[in-house]
Amino acid sequence: EVQLVESGGGLVKPGGSLRLSCEASGFIFDDFNMDWVRQAPGKGLEWVSSITSGGSYKYYADSVKGRFTISRDNAKNSVSLQMNSLRAEDTAVYYCAREVGLGTFYFDYWGQGALVTVSS
Amino acid sequence: QSVLTQPPSVSAAPGQKVTISCSGSSSNIGNNYVSWYQQLPGTAPKLLIYDNNNRPSGIPDRFSGSKSGTSATLGITGLQTGDEADYYCGTWDSSLSAGVFGGGTKLTVL
Repeated sequence: EVQLVESGGGLVKPGGSLRLSCEASGFIFDDFNMDWVRQAPGKGLEWVSSITSGGSYKYYADSVKGRFTISRDNAKNSVSLQMNSLRAEDTAVYYCAREVGLGTFYFDYWGQGALVTVSS
Repeated sequence: QSVLTQPPSVSAAPGQKVTISCSGSSSNIGNNYVSWYQQLPGTAPKLLIYDNNNRPSGIPDRFSGSKSGTSATLGITGLQTGDEADYYCGTWDSSLSAGVFGGGTKLTVL
């Protein structure tokens, strides 16, 4: 059974940093790209970042470029999102998602989400 | 403002059919596959349709997808109260080198 479990969410002050992690199980982790998608309270889904299966290529939404860094550890079946210079508008539930790439682009499995609140 | 445009809400009676549109451009829908997600209140999104018109195992054939040019459509037949949810379209945008979603459509089954 595929499982994605996020951790690391919490309350942080504006300008602060937080690191989210996602532990994967039930599939061959280094066969898949991995993504982060967020959802602000009462709002829609927003794609945040993607990392290819080997970690060579990383993509970011303009809204987080230069502040967020995605990484993965294939030996530990985990993907992380380092979030710096956080702003109030980064407040959201952050979902880890398994991406089916290679000529297509969709998310077939999602984690339960981790809430990040940026507030003074 | 989302790159992909969806109607904010749609509604229909139980047993009826509804369609949800998703409009984009040549850099996203026009040249890439579209997927659709269902998000029930308080839960993570769930994949409904991938590669424009394919259903993952376990998704009933009441759900269907299509694409024409720079627009895509999700169809739901035989509406049930359990279908009340938010629905999102998504794809890759080749110009932005980024994933993109529609703003979401809230389905109400009256």
